[in-house]
Amino acid sequence: DAGVIQSPRHEVTEMGQEVTLRCKPISGHNSLFWYRQTMMRGLELLIYFNNNVPIDDSGMPEDRFSAKMPNASFSTLKIQPSEPRDSAVYFCASSFGSSGQPQHFGDGTRLSIL
Amino acid sequence: DAKTTQPPSMDCAEGRAANLPCNHSTISGNEYVYWYRQIHSQGPQYIIHGLKNNETNEMASLIITEDRKSSTLILPHATLRDTAVYYCSNRGSGAGSYQLTFGKGTKLSVIP
Repeated sequence: DAGVIQSPRHEVTEMGQEVTLRCKPISGHNSLFWYRQTMMRGLELLIYFNNNVPIDDSGMPEDRFSAKMPNASFSTLKIQPSEPRDSAVYFCASSFGSSGQPQHFGDGTRLSIL
Repeated sequence: DAKTTQPPSMDCAEGRAANLPCNHSTISGNEYVYWYRQIHSQGPQYIIHGLKNNETNEMASLIITEDRKSSTLILPHATLRDTAVYYCSNRGSGAGSYQLTFGKGTKLSVIP
C-alpha cells in the first residue's frame, strides 16, 4: 500500500526564494498534518487539516508560511520568502480521523536555505 | 514539552528481545500511549499504541503498567534493521487531541 508521499525529498535554495513542499496523503485518510523537525526544537506541528479544512494553524511560524489542501489527495506547504532559519526536515502525516488514530508519516523534505 | 521520559540509549544483541521503557507518570485517563521509531533520513514510523490493555501486532508488543504511569515496548527478536530512535508519546482521544510530541527518545543499537 502506498504511504504518505512527499516531494521533493531534498531542496536547497537561496534565502528569499519561494519554496513549495508537496504531500499526497494515504488514500481514505481525512486528516493531514504538517510537522517540522529540527535538532534544537524536535518535532513541531505546523498545521492540521480535517476534511481539507484547516483546523489549527497555530503552529505556523509566521505569515511567510502558508498551507493549502485543495482536495483530499494533495496538500502544499509554501514558504515565501524563505530564510536560513527555515532549514529543517518537513514532514507530512495523515490519519483516518484525528482522535485516537495513529498518524502515518512521509519520509519528509530536507530543506536547506542558504 | 515532552510528557514522557526514556533512557537515551540502549544496546541489544541481534535475535534477542529488545525491551524499551517509557515513563509517562502524568498521563491522563483518556490519553493513549503511542510508540514510533525513526530511522535516519526517514519519517517517524508508527509501531503500536494502547490505552490500558497490553497490545500486540506484527511489529511489537506493548506492555502498560496497571497504574498507566509507564510502559514497555518489546521487539521480540531484534534485527539490525531495528536500529533506530524510538519515541513514546501520550496523546488523548478527544477532539483537539491530535498533536504528536516526541521527547528525545531512545537510540536503540542492535549489535550483530
